[in-house]
Amino acid sequence: GESVGLHLPTLSVQEGDNSIINCAYSNSASDYFIWYKQESGKGPQFIIDIRSNMDKRQGQRVTVLLNKTVKHLSLQIAATQPGDSAVYFCAENRGGNNRKLIWGLGTSLAVNP
Amino acid sequence: NAGVTQTPKFRILKIGQSMTLQCTQDMNHNYMYWYRQDPGMGLKLIYYSVGAGITDKGEVPNGYNVSRSTTEDFPLRLELAAPSQTSVYFCASSNQLSTEAFFGQGTRLTVV
Repeated sequence: GESVGLHLPTLSVQEGDNSIINCAYSNSASDYFIWYKQESGKGPQFIIDIRSNMDKRQGQRVTVLLNKTVKHLSLQIAATQPGDSAVYFCAENRGGNNRKLIWGLGTSLAVNP
Repeated sequence: NAGVTQTPKFRILKIGQSMTLQCTQDMNHNYMYWYRQDPGMGLKLIYYSVGAGITDKGEVPNGYNVSRSTTEDFPLRLELAAPSQTSVYFCASSNQLSTEAFFGQGTRLTVV
């Protein structure tokens, strides 16, 4: 889930391993969820989204799982590479067509060569 | 395409000063957003716009104003800068057919 405070949760993995980044959300009415990647000194970059009526969605090397029963979202990255090192944010859309996203705290992913 | 362009990249303001953060996009997106990101935190929505002439408040609008006179431009105005407004500001845009938002490189603002 998400932690509160100034210290980002950190996940450290070996290059080539799979990574799993978790996120808890609070609003059952959110209609979609998005994962963003933010590299140091840059703006966030879209990775993948999932609608609330789906349980799983796959992209290139990434899979997002949605468990509405426990309000939990996860991002799985296969064969993690050094270029995957970044902070990963989940965001939920509570604003319908207005796209008013509520962002989580973020998880810092460090990939060790 | 340039995407979303923000200026300036860095700025130091004194308490009480005012400034405008510029944001322009060349993707003909209807939706534009301003976020702030404090150290070690996620993004918080300040203001957003669903089209030219339409703006609305986000989570943390106090101390800021916006305007949207054209589709391309969405400036953010700080009237009386306060230390609590020290942050990194991101502008983003998206179209109505996609959930993907495109972000600028950010403006790092320090109020002293």
